[in-house]
Amino acid sequence: QQPVQSPQAVILREGEDAVINCSSSKALYSVHWYRQKHGEAPVFLMILLKGGEQKGHEKISASFNEKKQQSSLYLTASQLSYSGTYFCGTERRADSSYKLIFGSGTRLLVRP
Amino acid sequence: DGGITQSPKYLFRKEGQNVTLSCEQNLNHDAMYWYRQDPGQGLRLIYYSQIVNDFQKGDIAEGYSVSREKKESFPLTVTSAQKNPTAFYLCAARSIRGGYTFGSGTRLTVV
Repeated sequence: QQPVQSPQAVILREGEDAVINCSSSKALYSVHWYRQKHGEAPVFLMILLKGGEQKGHEKISASFNEKKQQSSLYLTASQLSYSGTYFCGTERRADSSYKLIFGSGTRLLVRP
Repeated sequence: DGGITQSPKYLFRKEGQNVTLSCEQNLNHDAMYWYRQDPGQGLRLIYYSQIVNDFQKGDIAEGYSVSREKKESFPLTVTSAQKNPTAFYLCAARSIRGGYTFGSGTRLTVV
């Protein structure tokens, strides 16, 4: 089942913060976050494997609440380059097989 | 540099025609995936393969077929049974650490 992302769209001024949420109704092996610029392929941002795990890269970080099967992506002090569509992906594992299903995406626009 | 190469970048298909999209990787990753993306939508899983000579159907496999004869290659055939094939097709490979690397995609249009 497809994870549910919210909000669907966000408009920010440069320097503002944003939070994107992702939730799943089923138990997960991992949660992924990707950013896609218009007309391009998605780019991997980070993967969260453990419940409660929080990762970060510069001003973009994420958390994973395993009990609630929810993840949040935090963008702080946004830059113009952060604009794009953000997808969460929920991964399940069966035997040695991994299957990644994406949410419908959150469109982020950062304005000067 | 390691990566995934998809070809062609643009492809036009006539009604009733089968077409094959190429996906080659030099990352030495075992698992490979095909996704379809419609305008303004998310990515939907078509087929995936964990090892050579083995693959599984994703959520929208009808009208598509794949093969995995070599670790490096995972071609996707869009058959005439796929009634609405116009979309952006993305191939990906999964690293052992979990991240997925995507190719630059193929835009397929029915003419």
